Amino acid sequence: AQRVTQPEKLLSVFKGAPVELKCNYSYSGSPELFWYVQYSRQRLQLLLRHISRESIKGFTADLNKGETSFHLKKPFAQEEDSAMYYCALTSPTGFQKLVFGTGTRLLVSP
Amino acid sequence: DAMVIQNPRYQVTQFGKPVTLSCSQTLNHNVMYWYQQKSSQAPKLLFHYYDKDFNNEADTPDNFQSRRPNTSFCFLDIRSPGLGDAAMYLCATSEVRGGSYEQYFGPGTRLTVT
Repeated sequence: AQRVTQPEKLLSVFKGAPVELKCNYSYSGSPELFWYVQYSRQRLQLLLRHISRESIKGFTADLNKGETSFHLKKPFAQEEDSAMYYCALTSPTGFQKLVFGTGTRLLVSP
Repeated sequence: DAMVIQNPRYQVTQFGKPVTLSCSQTLNHNVMYWYQQKSSQAPKLLFHYYDKDFNNEADTPDNFQSRRPNTSFCFLDIRSPGLGDAAMYLCATSEVRGGSYEQYFGPGTRLTVT
C-alpha cells in the first residue's frame, strides 16, 4: 500500500536555525516525491519535487531509496518559512494521483 | 491570473440535505481532482477527471458524485451529507501529457453539516 508518514505534527525553531522536516514513504516501486506547502490563508502549492533536484526558497530534499525517505531541509530558517508542509508521492505513471502525509506545521520564531 | 476557483468558500448544509460544491479553472488543464481533508488529516483523493473520463477512488463513498460539464468546471455533489462529511474540500488541476506535472489547488470549500 502507498503511504506517506510525517512523524512530526509541529516543528518549532528559532530564526537562523537549521530545519529538517521528516518524510518517510512506503511504495512498491519507484515513486515520485513532492513537498507541498500551505502558507497562512493561502492555497496549497508545490514547493519542490525530487526529479527536479532544485533548491526552492533555500529548501532542498534528497530522495533516499534505501531509507525510503524524502526529508526537507533548510540550513537557516526564516520567519516567512512558517507554514504547513505536506510530503506527497505519486506513481511515475498514470495521472499523478497524490498520496499526502498528514503534514508538519513549521513555526519559526524571531 | 490563471487560477483554480472554488465556490463557495464556506458551505453549511443540514444533515441529509444535498449539497453541491463547485470548482472552475482558467488554466485549461485536462485533469481535475477533488480531495477531502478532515481536521488534522492528510488530503485524500476522492476522484478525478481526465478530460471527460471519470475515475473514482475505490474507497470513495457512493454518497459522493462528480460532474464535469466542460473543461473549465467540475462539481462535487454530496447526495445525503452526514456529520462525518464535514471537511475541507479541495479542487486541483494539472496538465498531464506524460511525465510529472504540478497540481494547482484551489483555496478549498469548508463544509459544515448541522
